[in-house]
Amino acid sequence: KAGVTQTPRYLIKTRGQQVTLSCSPISGHRSVSWYQQTPGQGLQFLFEYFSETQRNKGNFPGRFSGRQFSNSRSEMNVSTLELGDSALYLCASSLGGGNNQPQHFGDGTRLSIL
Amino acid sequence: DQQVKQNSPSLSVQEGRISILNCDYTNSMFDYFLWYKKYPAEGPTFLISISSIKDKNEDGRFTVFLNKSAKHLSLHIVPSQPGDSAVYFCAASGHTGANSKLTFGKGITLSVRP
Repeated sequence: KAGVTQTPRYLIKTRGQQVTLSCSPISGHRSVSWYQQTPGQGLQFLFEYFSETQRNKGNFPGRFSGRQFSNSRSEMNVSTLELGDSALYLCASSLGGGNNQPQHFGDGTRLSIL
Repeated sequence: DQQVKQNSPSLSVQEGRISILNCDYTNSMFDYFLWYKKYPAEGPTFLISISSIKDKNEDGRFTVFLNKSAKHLSLHIVPSQPGDSAVYFCAASGHTGANSKLTFGKGITLSVRP
């Protein structure tokens, strides 16, 4: 069974640009969550999508947005990039019917802002 | 406000001995707890979980203990192996609203010495 796939694996951008990251969940999984990981900060929750609707949102500025398609694939967009946006962005999927279901992670996209 | 805390940043144990990784939480609405393992350049891998209706869950060499009154959980690895060397994240979630998202601790780096 294929796992969670994130593309691209690495990305270099400059300040002020925008970026779109992609996530394909495990087949049959309807929930997709996004996290930002920076050194010393653990995983910070960005947002969760379920059936094309944002179900939960973390404490990030409006520059961070996302969407989910009918096939459960998800994209995350960051506009007006700042140096502090350099991080590992992780996507996780789960069946999504409720909690008590583990999320399964992709290997992430490493975003570097110059 | 850090709702899930892993107060020890690192732990070093001898191969064959027990590794005990600790985690504390503050949100009494959390009722599902998970442990993830993360190797460099990979996404977190789900290890084991426990629901608040239980106080122990075991899977092979991994056992998670939950003490609800103390808001404390621990992961025991017996026996520890060099391949267990990784960063371990504790995570928690509740059932509804903002609590339904996964909240992670900052992780603990486990080193298992041969």
